[in-house]
Amino acid sequence: DQQVKQNSPSLSVQEGRISILNCDYTNSMFDYFLWYKKYPAEGPTFLISISSIKDKNEDGRFTVFLNKSAKHLSLHIVPSQPGDSAVYFCAASAATSGTYKYIFGTGTRLKVLA
Amino acid sequence: KAGVTQTPRYLIKTRGQQVTLSCSPISGHRSVSWYQQTPGQGLQFLFEYFSETQRNKGNFPGRFSGRQFSNSRSEMNVSTLELGDSALYLCASSFQGSQETQYFGPGTRLLVL
Repeated sequence: DQQVKQNSPSLSVQEGRISILNCDYTNSMFDYFLWYKKYPAEGPTFLISISSIKDKNEDGRFTVFLNKSAKHLSLHIVPSQPGDSAVYFCAASAATSGTYKYIFGTGTRLKVLA
Repeated sequence: KAGVTQTPRYLIKTRGQQVTLSCSPISGHRSVSWYQQTPGQGLQFLFEYFSETQRNKGNFPGRFSGRQFSNSRSEMNVSTLELGDSALYLCASSFQGSQETQYFGPGTRLLVL
């Protein structure tokens, strides 16, 4: 049972345009979400996070939007750059008994075309 | 600050063998989590250790085990290897394992023949 889903395995975007990566979740207990970026042969690197008390968080070119009623979050990258080409994972966690674990999606491969 | 390190980076084993992977967290981090990444499956949570105790466990068979030492370094062991265990094994550390950013190592790529 995949509690966190990234339904688009890949996405291609022209340099300078907006990239929108989507993530859906099924567990309404999830209250903290993160996005990671992963290059080949490297571990994932943290990009941005959002708590369920917010519906938007922004950091430079990266903005994450959270729609709790739809159980949906999205990552916007504006403007997209060739160096953004990587696999992006969303992850979710629920505060339970004071310990936490993250459930990851299957990833979306973003290719930014120069 | 040095990042999360994992050794070895690459490993080739045959079916039935066992393997031990090592992870050194960022200095001061006490929580270490392990994940398995396979194509199309994303990152699957294996287990999490904090102060030498396993606090969380994913849905993996008992062949997968781990431990954490007093210096927060962690090891993961897989016994009786199967072909399906071929994957990238990632560890991530955080300060106390609460809802905070996890920092990942580069991973150990295991190939089982």
